[in-house]
Amino acid sequence: AQSVAQPEDQVNVAEGNPLTVKCTYSVSGNPYLFWYVQYPNRGLQFLLKYITGDNLVKGSYGFEAEFNKSQTSFHLKKPSALVSDSALYFCAVRDIHSGGYNKLIFGAGTRLAVHP
Amino acid sequence: KAGVTQTPRYLIKTRGQQVTLSCSPISGHRSVSWYQQTPGQGLQFLFEYFSETQRNKGNFPGRFSGRQFSNSRSEMNVSTLELGDSALYLCASSLGGWNTEAFFGQGTRLTVV
Repeated sequence: AQSVAQPEDQVNVAEGNPLTVKCTYSVSGNPYLFWYVQYPNRGLQFLLKYITGDNLVKGSYGFEAEFNKSQTSFHLKKPSALVSDSALYFCAVRDIHSGGYNKLIFGAGTRLAVHP
Repeated sequence: KAGVTQTPRYLIKTRGQQVTLSCSPISGHRSVSWYQQTPGQGLQFLFEYFSETQRNKGNFPGRFSGRQFSNSRSEMNVSTLELGDSALYLCASSLGGWNTEAFFGQGTRLTVV
């Protein structure tokens, strides 16, 4: 079965400092990995994806993620955090064995708090 | 380009009633999926439709059903509502390939009283 884990419920970081939100995955076959962000009372916004190719993936709003096959990790990073980055972040893996295209399996989410 | 539109945004229903939620995908997207989000269970997959056919179904009781129309718009229905059905219901659309990302709507907040 495919799964993702986000080991931290909350991450606190000072504005201007680098941030990392951790994600590990377990899949059979090639992983299709995604990061989404959710602001209060809103849907999920797509940040970036890893399908194949370079291990460093660049996405929206200055975010990037590093794919590490040996450690089965896909950590989200940003060089300099903003207060406006404070939100709930979800890592997800596409379930490619389910027969469809659009079944995502999500982690529990990590709440990012950026302090001024 | 318009995003994924879900209606209504908020609903309050009584136990035992039924409810229908609507989702209009991004133009050109043929795959629509539904998710339930609750504080306790997180984001859980309900079902996926592609070209009017259900491709996938999550582990939910038969009270949860859906359909997709020829214009790719989708509806989900929950019958005999229970208090535990209170949640944010999210719809996502995509082009339908393995390497395409899904785009989510704002969600419908359902409260069952």
